[in-house]
Amino acid sequence: GAVVSQHPSRVICKSGTSVKIECRSLDFQATTMFWYRQFPKKSLMLMATSNEGSKATYEQGVEKDKFLINHASLTLSTLTVTSAHPEDSSFYICSARDFGGTGTDTQYFGPGTRLTVL
Amino acid sequence: GEDVEQSLFLSVREGDSSVINCTYTDSSSTYLYWYKQEPGAGLQLLTYIFSNMDMKQDQRLTVLLNKKDKHLSLRIADTQTGDSAIYFCASYRPGGFKTIFGAGTRLFVKA
Repeated sequence: GAVVSQHPSRVICKSGTSVKIECRSLDFQATTMFWYRQFPKKSLMLMATSNEGSKATYEQGVEKDKFLINHASLTLSTLTVTSAHPEDSSFYICSARDFGGTGTDTQYFGPGTRLTVL
Repeated sequence: GEDVEQSLFLSVREGDSSVINCTYTDSSSTYLYWYKQEPGAGLQLLTYIFSNMDMKQDQRLTVLLNKKDKHLSLRIADTQTGDSAIYFCASYRPGGFKTIFGAGTRLFVKA
């Protein structure tokens, strides 16, 4: 099946620094990618929808200036956590939407990135 | 808005069958998914079912869908300790642009 990769898988940074997380669709083109955040013992919270070549659509309550999303190509979206603080520590998961040639429409998830802000 | 609900915990003995239940509210959901998440890892797609199907079997996994009641279940036969994980139910409606996740069911398998 389709594969979505994320890099890095784990990152530890100091408070106040910025961290960039990459999400790539490896064998299909994804015009739409999604960024989720997972809180401990809770479900995934959709942060934003990233569309290639246009601005991301952020969910209510998500600061767009803090979580910068860029979808520069059909296979790459990046999430930059700016001026990270300990409360930003979380598991960030991306997914990519695949419109298959047979009319299928599904999402494939990356393995996630564990961000720890000290 | 759309919602997906599932129980938070399930404990079974090794070798028994596990049944994880889920209900969803979006009647337009076309795809219903089961994902597995092991500690510290991302989501692994276990199986999915189209809304026009009642049942799907894949080795030890059986998915049952009652579209009328908007109820989905995942049965794991001969549950093993390696099946211990969090299982997420999710619904997806093409055009809705969102996959809605349940909170996840934590499965404990006792040896």
